[in-house]
Amino acid sequence: EVQLVESGGGLVQPGRSLRLSCTASGFTFGDYVMSWVRQAPGKGLEWVGFIRSKAYGGTTEYAASVKGRFTISRDDSKSIAYLQMNSLKTEDTAVYYCPRQLFTTGGMDVWGQGTTVTVSS
Amino acid sequence: QSVLTQPPSVSGAPGQRVTISCTGSSSNIGAGYDVHWYQQLPGTAPKLLIYGNSNRPSGVPDRFSGSKSGTSASLAITGLQAEDEADYYCQSYDSSLSTEVFGGGTKLSVL
Repeated sequence: EVQLVESGGGLVQPGRSLRLSCTASGFTFGDYVMSWVRQAPGKGLEWVGFIRSKAYGGTTEYAASVKGRFTISRDDSKSIAYLQMNSLKTEDTAVYYCPRQLFTTGGMDVWGQGTTVTVSS
Repeated sequence: QSVLTQPPSVSGAPGQRVTISCTGSSSNIGAGYDVHWYQQLPGTAPKLLIYGNSNRPSGVPDRFSGSKSGTSASLAITGLQAEDEADYYCQSYDSSLSTEVFGGGTKLSVL
């Protein structure tokens, strides 16, 4: 079964760091672009960033709202994508999802259940 | 303010047809990038509903269809059912931003 499981969320103070993990199973993880998408309480979906597959350089792109603070990485040997979040702000409070894409500009066809990050003092 | 513009809400009676628009610009939809649509039922993760402007993943009923023209795209739902009540989002790629972009979402109410 194709599956994505996000983990690592929790309550964190403003200015602190948190690392989220996205564990994949049931497909060849290394073939896919992995995105991070978040949804603040009662709000819409916001794309956070993505990491391309190694075949396309494994490079990353980020939304302006997180650029310089968040870093996406991947470990294809473990089928895990990471979202390192530094200098967290209260406005980063959201449910974080890590959908997969076969290629950038493509649809996000598999989603996990998400992990909740709350930034509050 | 979202790069892709959707109406905040639409509604329809069971059995009716509704459409949800997604308006972009020359750097995203108008540049030829595909539009994808997602359905998010209350309390659940988004689900891919339409990919590549008009293609349905396996398991998505043919009551759902997508189209694209110029700088806009549309999602049509025919034979509206109570279980279609959800939030719907469009998504594309923007070449000026070099990022994926989502619409603000549309809440569908089935009267």
